[in-house]
Amino acid sequence: DTGVSQDPRHKITKRGQNVTFRCDPISEHNRLYWYRQTLGQGPEFLTYFQNEAQLEKSRLLSDRFSAERPKGSFSTLEIQRTEQGDSAMYLCASSLVQNQETQYFGPGTRLLVL
Amino acid sequence: DQQVKQNSPSLSVQEGRISILNCDYTNSMFDYFLWYKKYPAEGPTFLISISSIKDKNEDGRFTVFLNKSAKHLSLHIVPSQPGDSAVYFCAATNAGGTSYGKLTFGQGTILTVHP
Repeated sequence: DTGVSQDPRHKITKRGQNVTFRCDPISEHNRLYWYRQTLGQGPEFLTYFQNEAQLEKSRLLSDRFSAERPKGSFSTLEIQRTEQGDSAMYLCASSLVQNQETQYFGPGTRLLVL
Repeated sequence: DQQVKQNSPSLSVQEGRISILNCDYTNSMFDYFLWYKKYPAEGPTFLISISSIKDKNEDGRFTVFLNKSAKHLSLHIVPSQPGDSAVYFCAATNAGGTSYGKLTFGQGTILTVHP
């Protein structure tokens, strides 16, 4: 399977703990996106990378959130000092630059902060 | 502010009939629109898209219509099949802007197709 993969699929943590999620995009895709989806809502844009460069960050991405794509391949999203409001599905997507509106999504990481 | 709205949380249709899912947007800078389908425990899957230079795009059983003056688009599925039962998201972007590729999604509509 050469689709977008995310790890872990589920994460339960206690408030105040740090968590890190990983996304492996489709190998030839140079664009990588992170979205967050809460219950009853559609995905909300968080940030995106072109190769290793982070090009845009949403105001939803507070200082506790940091994303990296060190070698332009996989990406990590870290949340520090988690809060209950961080509980959501975190989705990763990838695309080609020349077809960037057609994004291929991974299955997501469901985070529950207790 | 919800720039892309899907006002119907759910839709129930009989197999073989037409399903019509609606979407409204408020940002006049949006010029490219997409529909995604999502099954439980999976990420959204791209279904069909339309550029603002067109008013209709068809792909098999799926047709998207765009009414720019009304800032409204719709997805028609004909004939509907039980396997179409999923959550459908409308999304929009500004293809000519610096945030091209940043998708703004609606809240989703749960489609149920009954055999």
